[in-house]
Amino acid sequence: GAGVSQSPSNKVTEKGKDVELRCDPISGHTALYWYRQSLGQGLEFLIYFQGNSAPDKSGLPSDRFSAERTGGSVSTLTIQRTQQEDSAVYLCASSLGRGTDTQYFGPGTRLTVL
Amino acid sequence: GENVEQHPSTLSVQEGDSAVIKCTYSDSASNYFPWYKQELGKGPQLIIDIRSNVGEKKDQRIAVTLNKTAKHFSLHITETQPEDSAVYFCAARSQTYSGGGADGLTFGKGTHLIIQP
Repeated sequence: GAGVSQSPSNKVTEKGKDVELRCDPISGHTALYWYRQSLGQGLEFLIYFQGNSAPDKSGLPSDRFSAERTGGSVSTLTIQRTQQEDSAVYLCASSLGRGTDTQYFGPGTRLTVL
Repeated sequence: GENVEQHPSTLSVQEGDSAVIKCTYSDSASNYFPWYKQELGKGPQLIIDIRSNVGEKKDQRIAVTLNKTAKHFSLHITETQPEDSAVYFCAARSQTYSGGGADGLTFGKGTHLIIQP
């Protein structure tokens, strides 16, 4: 079956522009996670969805970052007024549910802010 | 919140030798510890995981050990092969829902494993 997909795979934008990153989780997975991976760094947790609700937004680095999930499936991560420090790979993962279920990662979106 | 330290940052071993990567965690409430392998340009892939009620788990050439008292866990790869070259991440998940990503994993900074032919 299909894994987690993300689009675009690469995004280059100018400082100050808004960007939207999309994640399509594995069908039937109710939990969805966004992480950020900066060059040479580990993965930084951003936000978690259970269904359409986001009980944990604590990892979002600033109010320029927001995310939504509709229909319990696709999620969009939006970064407003992008800054150069936002340049990173944004990874999405999904799992069957909350708890200790395995998280399956997508290939990521590489964001470059010029 | 949880804090995960991973060592070494780079590990170079001869093909056929064993490789060991170590991680420590801070939150005693953590009870799930996965290991991920990330190849260049790809997302992380789960290779093995361990839960806190188990001390060791093996899957062919890969094993993970967990010491809850010391709050550390390790990945062991035996008979290393060129295709084992990648970045490996350990992670921990805490069951304490106190915010700070309680339902997300806290990752170590990764180990770049290089298998020398």
